[in-house]
Amino acid sequence: KQEVTQIPAALSVPEGENLVLNCSFTDSAIYNLQWFRQDPGKGLTSLLLIQSSQREQTSGRLNASLDKSSGRSTLYIAASQPGDSATYLCAVSGGYQKVTFGIGTKLQVIP
Amino acid sequence: SQTIHQWPATLVQPVGSPLSLECTVEGTSNPNLYWYRQAAGRGLQLLFYSVGIGQISSEVPQNLSASRPQDRQFILSSKKLLLSDSGFYLCASLQFAGGSNYGYTFGSGTRLTVV
Repeated sequence: KQEVTQIPAALSVPEGENLVLNCSFTDSAIYNLQWFRQDPGKGLTSLLLIQSSQREQTSGRLNASLDKSSGRSTLYIAASQPGDSATYLCAVSGGYQKVTFGIGTKLQVIP
Repeated sequence: SQTIHQWPATLVQPVGSPLSLECTVEGTSNPNLYWYRQAAGRGLQLLFYSVGIGQISSEVPQNLSASRPQDRQFILSSKKLLLSDSGFYLCASLQFAGGSNYGYTFGSGTRLTVV
């Protein structure tokens, strides 16, 4: 059974700092990995999707990497802003129906 | 790109009352559709998924049921709500083509409080 862990559970940083969020998974036989952002009381917004054949994906100030062999993914946020404050979740897909979510990292960026 | 419409945004229902949450999808055809529940401080729990009209798979035995009467419509129901049904319910669509999975799109969620 796939298990997904996100560390840290919460993170508070000053504005402008670069930061890294971690996601680890136990079964390396994955299809893809997706990073989401969730604002309080809202749905999940997709940030980046990395297919199993890819090493990284970039979108603006966000960069996500994937190392299947070690069961790890990182989400790098450059020059953090208060608007980046949210909970970030990773989801690991083992197929069309087998998707496992982490509990998330709650990020607070302090002005 | 896909858009998922989910309503209502919030709902307060008494114990024992029925429930109907609706989700519709735009911008794609024949998607896989999912209902998730998110409890405070916990991860997303998959409740039901559907790969086509009338095809429903249940992941967790419970007080809820799901139906897919149309290709882009997914409904979550209950005949009698329990206090434990309270939570944040999310509808999701999985986009795929040619054997490749292009990731989930989520609706904005429904906050259900059973009182």
